[in-house]
Amino acid sequence: GAVVSQHPSWVICKSGTSVKIECRSLDFQATTMFWYRQFPKKSLMLMATSNEGSKATYEQGVEKDKFLINHASLTLSTLTVTSAHPEDSSFYICSASEAGGGRETQYFGPGTRLLVL
Amino acid sequence: GNSVTQMEGPVTLSEEAFLTINCTYTATGYPSLFWYVQYPGEGLQLLLKATKADDKGSNKGFEATYRKETTSFHLEKGSVQVSDSAVYFCALSDQAGTALIFGKGTTLSVSS
Repeated sequence: GAVVSQHPSWVICKSGTSVKIECRSLDFQATTMFWYRQFPKKSLMLMATSNEGSKATYEQGVEKDKFLINHASLTLSTLTVTSAHPEDSSFYICSASEAGGGRETQYFGPGTRLLVL
Repeated sequence: GNSVTQMEGPVTLSEEAFLTINCTYTATGYPSLFWYVQYPGEGLQLLLKATKADDKGSNKGFEATYRKETTSFHLEKGSVQVSDSAVYFCALSDQAGTALIFGKGTTLSVSS
C-alpha cells in the first residue's frame, strides 16, 4: 500500500527555536496533505490542509504564522513550528491523499513527537 | 458541527473474546464513516469504511454497519487475537470530503 513517512520521528528543542517536520509520500503523488495534532488521550485535531502549489487552508484557531506549511511538490509537505514554546509540545501527524483518490484515500505518517523545553 | 464520540478505553480482553467498540456521530448530510487502527509505533491505517446508510464495512474479521437511524458505526469482531492490540479510531468525512474528523481513540489490549 501507499506509504507516508515523517521526519524526524521525535525532536526535543529549546523554547524560542523553530522546528521543521517533513512529510513525504514515498510511492505515490499526493495532491493534498493534511496536518493533524494529537494531545494525550485526545483525538486527532486537523490543523490545516495543503494542496500542492497553493497556500494551506488552516482550521479555525490555528495560527498561520506559528505553523508554517509548505507543499512545494507532489511528494513533500513541511510543517514548521516557529518560535516553539512548551505548549506546542505534541504529537504531529500528517496524511496524504492520492491524486484522483476519493475522500477516503488518506494515508497516514507515523507521527512526530515534539517536546519543547 | 460534525463530531464523533467513541467509547472510552482501555478495553482489555482475553484472546478469542468478542469485541465491540461503540461509535456514534453527529453530522449534517450524509458523511462517510471509517475505522482506523494504529498499531504500536506505526501510523494510522484504514481498517474499514462505509459510505452510505446500511452499508457494512469489513476487513480482517472486523465489521461495522452504518446505522443512520441511530447515527452509529460500532466496530465488532467475533474473536480477537493478541495481534489486534492497538488503538482504534472512529472517523467521519463530510460530504465535501475535505477532512476527517476523529473520535478520541479506544485502546484495545488482548492477552493470551
